[in-house]
Amino acid sequence: GQQLNQSPQSMFIQEGEDVSMNCTSSSIFNTWLWYKQDPGEGPVLLIALYKAGELTSNGRLTAQFGITRKDSFLNISASIPSDVGIYFCAGPDDKIIFGKGTRLHILP
Amino acid sequence: DTGVSQNPRHKITKRGQNVTFRCDPISEHNRLYWYRQTLGQGPEFLTYFQNEAQLEKSRLLSDRFSAERPKGSFSTLEIQRTEQGDSAMYLCASSPSGADTQYFGPGTRLTVL
Repeated sequence: GQQLNQSPQSMFIQEGEDVSMNCTSSSIFNTWLWYKQDPGEGPVLLIALYKAGELTSNGRLTAQFGITRKDSFLNISASIPSDVGIYFCAGPDDKIIFGKGTRLHILP
Repeated sequence: DTGVSQNPRHKITKRGQNVTFRCDPISEHNRLYWYRQTLGQGPEFLTYFQNEAQLEKSRLLSDRFSAERPKGSFSTLEIQRTEQGDSAMYLCASSPSGADTQYFGPGTRLTVL
């Protein structure tokens, strides 16, 4: 079946740093989704991408839909403490297929 | 509307007992999804409903699992004869149309002792 591979698995950064993470797929997706999950909560949709090559921003977050349609990237600029959490990429079909997540930690 | 709600938020049970979880979707969302999430993993699809019809079930959904959405509004997920491997977060999501517009609830965390 379809699989999504996220990297890195975890990140430790200083507050104020920029963050980059990516997601690759074994097959083509027509839509890419990026979610954030806080501890004990459900995932919250951050950005949805619908077109190959598309670059979309949501505040300090920017995501890109790779032109091969097999990858996507998420960047966070000037990280702040509330950015801590798990970031999932996902590709929807009839249901959503999630990656295993990138865990973002911000060092004091 | 306050979003998708799930009850209970936490459930601790002994192995072999039956448990039932409830999900109340966002009003007028005709699609409702159930996912399971274990530690260190992303959510994994279990099943989904379009109105009251259950349209797809994952192989993860063994015979001990059953889900219903009798009136096309709230849904229940029942696990019979729970096993320790059933310990996980069970997430519900609803959508007005396709899978790319799903809104997730806070989840029910199940611990089987």
